[in-house]
Amino acid sequence: EAQVTQNPRYLITVTGKKLTVTCSQNMNHEYMSWYRQDPGLGLRQIYYSMNVEVTDKGDVPEGYKVSRKEKRNFPLILESPSPNQTSLYFCASTGSFGSPLHFGNGTRLTVT
Amino acid sequence: AQKITQTQPGMFVQEKEAVTLDCTYDTSDQSYGLFWYKQPSSGEMIFLIYQGSYDEQNATEGRYSLNFQKARKSANLVISASQLGDSAMYFCLNNAGNMLTFGGGTRLMVKP
Repeated sequence: EAQVTQNPRYLITVTGKKLTVTCSQNMNHEYMSWYRQDPGLGLRQIYYSMNVEVTDKGDVPEGYKVSRKEKRNFPLILESPSPNQTSLYFCASTGSFGSPLHFGNGTRLTVT
Repeated sequence: AQKITQTQPGMFVQEKEAVTLDCTYDTSDQSYGLFWYKQPSSGEMIFLIYQGSYDEQNATEGRYSLNFQKARKSANLVISASQLGDSAMYFCLNNAGNMLTFGGGTRLMVKP
């Protein structure tokens, strides 16, 4: 089954403790991206990647890192999480310009 | 920069009636795609419909149709014969160049 797999679904952590949210797709998509969703602000793009070893900042990249060492994986790294990074995070991928984004099921992160 | 505007933060519709959700976009790219996604209370993002900037016909997918007015830069979603299960958040998305930009969303509530 074609899918984007995000883990974990829920994560509670403390300020400053490094964490990684994993994202993997099995559709051989070149484009992958990360979004955060906050009430009243909709979905905002954090980082995106057009291909392996190619990553670019989206609208809200501060406090986040990503890597794209393999085509299928695009982890999101928070080196020193802060409470303002409490949010719902989505990973997504697509194979071409006119194709829909395939979303993961989301990761609800709480930073205390 | 791309911008997507959904002017209706919340809407009510009577079951079995049609409803139109507004979306206007602002892009300088000639080639772009417009998508609509549904997000039920469970949180996942569900692809509904796609319209390419060069498509001459309005897109339709079952009960969903897209009223595409290129000169006015609008891509409104029309849901016919609303059902209770249509109650959800709806997001308009523009894909232009390397950027994917979401609108702020519209919460639709279907009344029995």
